[in-house]
Amino acid sequence: GIQVEQSPPDLILQEGANSTLRCNFSDSVNNLQWFHQNPWGQLINLFYIPSGTKQNGRLSATTVATERYSLLYISSSQTTDSGVYFCAVSKGGSEKLVFGKGTKLTVNP
Amino acid sequence: KAGVTQTPRYLIKTRGQQVTLSCSPISGHRSVSWYQQTPGQGLQFLFEYFSETQRNKGNFPGRFSGRQFSNSRSEMNVSTLELGDSALYLCASSFWGGEEKLFFGSGTQLSVL
Repeated sequence: GIQVEQSPPDLILQEGANSTLRCNFSDSVNNLQWFHQNPWGQLINLFYIPSGTKQNGRLSATTVATERYSLLYISSSQTTDSGVYFCAVSKGGSEKLVFGKGTKLTVNP
Repeated sequence: KAGVTQTPRYLIKTRGQQVTLSCSPISGHRSVSWYQQTPGQGLQFLFEYFSETQRNKGNFPGRFSGRQFSNSRSEMNVSTLELGDSALYLCASSFWGGEEKLFFGSGTQLSVL
């Protein structure tokens, strides 16, 4: 099956710093999503981005499908950005996503 | 619009018991899928239902089962609980389970003692 690798596994930032999270996947996909899991366990969908670039406020994402990777950019980080960021992919629909192990982000005030 | 609702939020059971978890999808969503999250294995797909039919199943033993009702609400059941079943169980919904955003509930934290 598809393998998903996320890096770095852990990231510690000071408030206001920028960061880039990476997701590599082992096969062609037509579904890629980024999620943020907050400290209470809630998974929030950040982007549906099988290809191209999208932006939402301080967050943006780019997926280069031909090279099998995606990047999540967080600018001017805030303490509320803390949590675990997951990349998930599938070759088909959203019903059977394969998740990476996540990047744990800690933003200190 | 209400999000995906899961009940109960926390559950404590003992080995050998069975448990039923409930999920109400976002209004209008017909695809409901379930995931198990553990510290060791991460997030793993359990199964997916669409229009009351199981469309996909992950690599879990037959003790894990589910169903979907005509109003798209879904339940999952775990029989003969084992210690290793302790996990956060997450339900997610989407309109049709295709190439679209997936929305998750807050999960049910199951502890098996």
